[in-house]
Amino acid sequence: SQTIHQWPATLVQPVGSPLSLECTVEGTSNPNLYWYRQAAGRGLQLLFYSVGIGQISSEVPQNLSASRPQDRQFILSSKKLLLSDSGFYLCAWSVRREAPGNTIYFGEGSWLTVV
Amino acid sequence: QKEVEQNSGPLSVPEGAIASLNCTYSDRGSQSFFWYRQYSGKSPELIMSIYSNGDKEDGRFTAQLNKASQYVSLLIRDSQPSDSATYLCAVTLGNTGGFKTIFGAGTRLFVKA
Repeated sequence: SQTIHQWPATLVQPVGSPLSLECTVEGTSNPNLYWYRQAAGRGLQLLFYSVGIGQISSEVPQNLSASRPQDRQFILSSKKLLLSDSGFYLCAWSVRREAPGNTIYFGEGSWLTVV
Repeated sequence: QKEVEQNSGPLSVPEGAIASLNCTYSDRGSQSFFWYRQYSGKSPELIMSIYSNGDKEDGRFTAQLNKASQYVSLLIRDSQPSDSATYLCAVTLGNTGGFKTIFGAGTRLFVKA
């Protein structure tokens, strides 16, 4: 069966510090990979999605970036965090297929507090 | 116009009642529709997916899709206190080959014992 792991689960970072969140998927190959963010009391915002190694689509222009160095590894980074970057970050995956049917499955999430 | 809209609630129903959750979407080309449940502090988990017009039933849950009206709904029968959560409607946009799924802000449901 497929599993998705995301870490770290919780982190508190000062403004201006760098960020690295990592996610890996097991039990499947060639998945679509996603990063979403959920601010306190808000809905899920799609940040990045990837359909293959090195292929990243950005949905929100900001100080975050994503990379996919391996087929089942997805990394979210920032060089300098802002207070507004605080939130619940969710990595997710789906089987790569044409619609319909690309159900998204989420990791456990990472709580980021920028202070 | 938001791409996926939901009433934020909260929706409060007594235990054993039917809870009705609604969602509208703007992209007429959308082909995949999902309902997720999210407990406080946890990641969303899939309840149901629906791709064709009509109803789809799974246990106490029924999803309804009307593409002409761009409307998706979720009915929860015999609601239980454990159903209290935020319910997220998700839609895969039609012009992205199935790769871009957008979520509504969610409806908070409270089931009173």
